[in-house]
Amino acid sequence: EVQLVQSGGDLVQPGGSLRLSCAASGFTFRSYWMTWVRQAPGKGLEWVASINQDESNTYYVDSVKGRFTISRDNAQNSLYLQMTSLTVHDTAVYYCARDTIGGSGSFTHWGQGTLVTVSS
Amino acid sequence: SYELTQTPSVAVAPGRTARITCGGDDIGDKSVHWYQQKPGQAPVQVISFDSDRPSGIPERFSGSNSGNTATLSISGVEAGDEADYYCQVLDANTAKYVFGPGTTVTVL
Repeated sequence: EVQLVQSGGDLVQPGGSLRLSCAASGFTFRSYWMTWVRQAPGKGLEWVASINQDESNTYYVDSVKGRFTISRDNAQNSLYLQMTSLTVHDTAVYYCARDTIGGSGSFTHWGQGTLVTVSS
Repeated sequence: SYELTQTPSVAVAPGRTARITCGGDDIGDKSVHWYQQKPGQAPVQVISFDSDRPSGIPERFSGSNSGNTATLSISGVEAGDEADYYCQVLDANTAKYVFGPGTTVTVL
């Protein structure tokens, strides 16, 4: 069974940093593209970042480019999102999701979500 | 940047068919994926690549995509189908993944 278990969400002050983690199991993690999606309170889904199998390709929504870094550790079956210079607009539930082998944007499995609150 | 449009809400009686549309320029040339999200839960994919149903998704869910509109249909609607539904595509020109704003389905 595919499982994505997330951790790392917290309350952080504006300007602060946070790292989210997503532990994968039940599939060959190193074979798949992976993605982060977020959802601000009461709002819709917003794609944040995606990464290919060997980290040679990473893509970001414009609003986080230069502040967030997506990475992965295939030996540890883990996906990460390093977030810096956080603003109140980054407050959201963050989901990790498994894409396809080809990175086609079909998010077949999702983590449970982790809440990031940016507030003073 | 590529944008998707969705009707904000759809109300349907039990047993009837709900049709949720997703509009975008030449969306028929792209692969459309659909997600169901119930309150407090993570999204669940209900349709991939325009019309494929993932394992475990009832046959009541179907999808189509042509021209400037993709459609998710839910036949024989049940109370448990009440949720927000999001369409999503990959904009290959910009390597960005785009979600529609979502449609809330209410079962009367």
